Amino acid sequence: NAGVTQTPKFQVLKTGQSMTLQCAQDMNHNSMYWYRQDPGMGLRLIYYSASEGTTDKGEVPNGYNVSRLNKREFSLRLESAAPSQTSVYFCASSRISHGNTEAFFGQGTRLTVV
Amino acid sequence: AQSVTQLDSQVPVFEEAPVELRCNYSSSVSVYLFWYVQYPNQGLQLLLKYLSGSTLVKGINGFEAEFNKSQTSFHLRKPSVHISDTAEYFCAVSGGETSGSRLTFGEGTQLTVNP
Repeated sequence: NAGVTQTPKFQVLKTGQSMTLQCAQDMNHNSMYWYRQDPGMGLRLIYYSASEGTTDKGEVPNGYNVSRLNKREFSLRLESAAPSQTSVYFCASSRISHGNTEAFFGQGTRLTVV
Repeated sequence: AQSVTQLDSQVPVFEEAPVELRCNYSSSVSVYLFWYVQYPNQGLQLLLKYLSGSTLVKGINGFEAEFNKSQTSFHLRKPSVHISDTAEYFCAVSGGETSGSRLTFGEGTQLTVNP
């Protein structure tokens, strides 16, 4: 039972480079999320997808784009990486049921932009 | 908008001592409350959740939390901690008036259990 799988686990980018973080879940969940985690700031929502075919901005969407490829996969793209995007990125999924947003998380991607 | 405040960024405690990690939230409507734990270099996993019903919620690893609507708090407690409880703990809320089912997290509390 894989749950939520993120790739890659580690990445170093140069300023201005682009990359896509991949996320897949095998729990048949409708909703998927991308968060970033920075020291002392908890987790901040970048984008989320309430269901296949829909995406919405979260708290910190600038500099990112997302694609909900199908029910299983939700990717996060950095078009032109900046040092401020150095962070740990987490993908999560949940089965929405009357607001019960119990989320399941991947292991994270540690991204460093130099 | 809903928000969550974790009142302590770091909590050091000795092994077998009791611990309380404090969480306050703000929302004008009914909410759902969660505590997640993050061990080093891992993702988050659910400790416990409050959806409705009894205000005392029991979770995994001997943790429990009490929902207090009048004080808008959801503090996490454990009567006797172990070294293995060393981790970062996040309080989260969903179901607020403008956020639908989105989770909003607090800043996290680093619990360090010393021998």
